[in-house]
Amino acid sequence: GAGVSQSPSNKVTEKGKDVELRCDPISGHTALYWYRQSLGQGLEFLIYFQGNSAPDKSGLPSDRFSAERTGGSVSTLTIQRTQQEDSAVYLCASSLASHADQPQHFGDGTRLSIL
Amino acid sequence: AQKVTQAQTEISVVEKEDVTLDCVYETRDTTYYLFWYKQPPSGELVFLIRRNSFDEQNEISGRYSWNFQKSTSSFNFTITASQVVDSAVYFCALSEAYPVYSGGGADGLTFGKGTHLIIQP
Repeated sequence: GAGVSQSPSNKVTEKGKDVELRCDPISGHTALYWYRQSLGQGLEFLIYFQGNSAPDKSGLPSDRFSAERTGGSVSTLTIQRTQQEDSAVYLCASSLASHADQPQHFGDGTRLSIL
Repeated sequence: AQKVTQAQTEISVVEKEDVTLDCVYETRDTTYYLFWYKQPPSGELVFLIRRNSFDEQNEISGRYSWNFQKSTSSFNFTITASQVVDSAVYFCALSEAYPVYSGGGADGLTFGKGTHLIIQP
C-alpha cells in the first residue's frame, strides 16, 4: 500500500520567491500534519488538519506560511517571500484520526534550500 | 508546555553490544502518549512503538525493548545485540490527550532532539 507521498523531494529557490509543497496522505487517514526539521531546531510541529479543517495555526513560524487541505486528502504548505531561515526539510505525516494516541506515519519529506 | 529531552546526542558502539537510549519527558496532562521513531539515513521517520500513560508494562519486540517509568518520567529504549542496520537517529516523542490550547485532540507530536546511534562493525 502507498505511504505518505510528498513532492517535490528537493526544491532549490531564490530568496523572495514563493514555494508550494505538496503532501498526499495515506488513503483513509483523516488527520494530516506538517513538521519542519532543521539542524538548529530539530523537529517542529507546524500545523495539523482534521479533515479539511485546521483548528490551530499558531505553530506556523510566520504569516508567510499558510496551509490548506481540500477534499480531505491532499494538502499544500505554501511559503511566501522565502527567507534563508526557511531552509529545512518539511515533513508531512498522516494518521487514522486526530486523537493523540494515533501513530503518525511520515513521508520522505521535501528538502527546501533557499539561496 | 510539554517537553522531551534526549540527553545523548550521539552514541557509538560496536556491533553486538547492547545500547540504551534515554528519554525524559515533561507534561502536565494526566493522559498522554509516548512514541519512538527511527530515522535511518534515507530520511523517512519510521514509527516503532506507542505507550499510553496508564500502561507502565514494559514491552519487548525482538531485540528492542522499552522501559516506561512514570516515577522518573522516562521512556527508555534498549537495543540488544545491536546490528549495523540499527544505525540511525532515534527520536522520542510525546502527545497529550488534552493540550490546553486546542481543547482536546492531537496538536502534533513534541519531539526530542534525537540520538544519533552509530553501530560499528
